[in-house]
Amino acid sequence: DSGVTQTPKHLITATGQRVTLRCSPRSGDLSVYWYQQSLDQGLQFLIQYYNGEERAKGNILERFSAQQFPDLHSELNLSSLELGDSALYFCASSAPGGGETDTQYFGPGTRLTVL
Amino acid sequence: GQSLEQPSEVTAVEGAIVQINCTYQTSGFYGLSWYQQHDGGAPTFLSYNALDGLEETGRFSSFLSRSDSYGYLLLQELQMKDSASYFCAVRGRPSNTGKLIFGQGTTLQVKP
Repeated sequence: DSGVTQTPKHLITATGQRVTLRCSPRSGDLSVYWYQQSLDQGLQFLIQYYNGEERAKGNILERFSAQQFPDLHSELNLSSLELGDSALYFCASSAPGGGETDTQYFGPGTRLTVL
Repeated sequence: GQSLEQPSEVTAVEGAIVQINCTYQTSGFYGLSWYQQHDGGAPTFLSYNALDGLEETGRFSSFLSRSDSYGYLLLQELQMKDSASYFCAVRGRPSNTGKLIFGQGTTLQVKP
């Protein structure tokens, strides 16, 4: 158990809908990262928040947005869903500055299926 | 840009040794990490090399050559439970963010 929690574990929805994925980082970690993993792609970085502020953005679609709240949990919002958005979405957290070893601790993921 | 290349699949038998290679292209290098992911599970951190040489952690070792932009993960005394995907990763730009850029992953199949 990494200490990172994600809900829900599974999500099945229809095209055009909007969903919210939730992540709670390890106690004490200020950074939260979101990654997308689909069958034909590796782990793709989406966005990072650090202590409530957006720190870095990857190839995140405009239909996707995220935020980090004062209690440091984060939510990833996906809207106008398309079939191609079906994937595993992972949240990860790290110690401030990433620590000496760049270690990121991943949550169990949310498997999103868009029908 | 930044990119990493690793073989897509490797097969080995129980008890053997296997090496998974990773070559990277990045402007500004801060270390090479390795993660393990069992099917459908969360990636878990295995090792990190910031300097040239070999780092050993039990049955797993990781090597880095910065001059060759190359590293590898060495798994010894393979067990069935080592069947998983292995990802190499480098820190993305800007470097102060800590975000990781991952390779496409190598699927290791361990056979009895």
